[in-house]
Amino acid sequence: QQQVKQSPQSLIVQKGGISIINCAYENTAFDYFPWYQQFPGKGPALLIAIRPDVSEKKEGRFTISFNKSAKQFSLHIMDSQPGDSATYFCAASNRGSTLGRLYFGRGTQLTVWP
Amino acid sequence: GAGVSQTPSNKVTEKGKYVELRCDPISGHTALYWYRQSLGQGPEFLIYFQGTGAADDSGLPNDRFFAVRPEGSVSTLKIQRTERGDSAVYLCASSYSGGDTYEQYFGPGTRLTVT
Repeated sequence: QQQVKQSPQSLIVQKGGISIINCAYENTAFDYFPWYQQFPGKGPALLIAIRPDVSEKKEGRFTISFNKSAKQFSLHIMDSQPGDSATYFCAASNRGSTLGRLYFGRGTQLTVWP
Repeated sequence: GAGVSQTPSNKVTEKGKYVELRCDPISGHTALYWYRQSLGQGPEFLIYFQGTGAADDSGLPNDRFFAVRPEGSVSTLKIQRTERGDSAVYLCASSYSGGDTYEQYFGPGTRLTVT
């Protein structure tokens, strides 16, 4: 059973556009929601993360929007650049009962055209 | 500072052989995690260490898989009687479990191919 559902599977955006990736979860005990960026042949790199006590977090061109009642969260990449082309994973964890293990979505392959 | 390192970066083995994969976490990180990533999928949890002990090994697929962290730093994932289905990238992550942080930092992974 997939604990975190991610969409779309792939995304093509023009340079300068906005990339939006969505995730949904069922377990209301999750209390930490990170996004990871992964380039081919590399390990996932932590991009940005949010806790459920805030609805939005912004770091540079990357913004997480969090909707606790809908159990959804999304990553927005503003002014997308070709260097952003990578696979993005959302994840969730609950420090209490699952000791911080991360449940990942299936990933979104982002391609930004120059 | 140095990040999480994993060795070897690539490992090709024959079906039925034994393999060991090594993870060096970030210095000072007490929590260490192993994940497995199949092609086109997100990482899947295998096991979590807090210090020297395995706090959660519920993700290990069967008893052919075993991991140790004898001194609370370096960890080794051991796979016996490898099968072709074990082929994947094995990722290690570490985090500082003190305070209020959950951040996990991943290594580059070991790509295991079982022929």
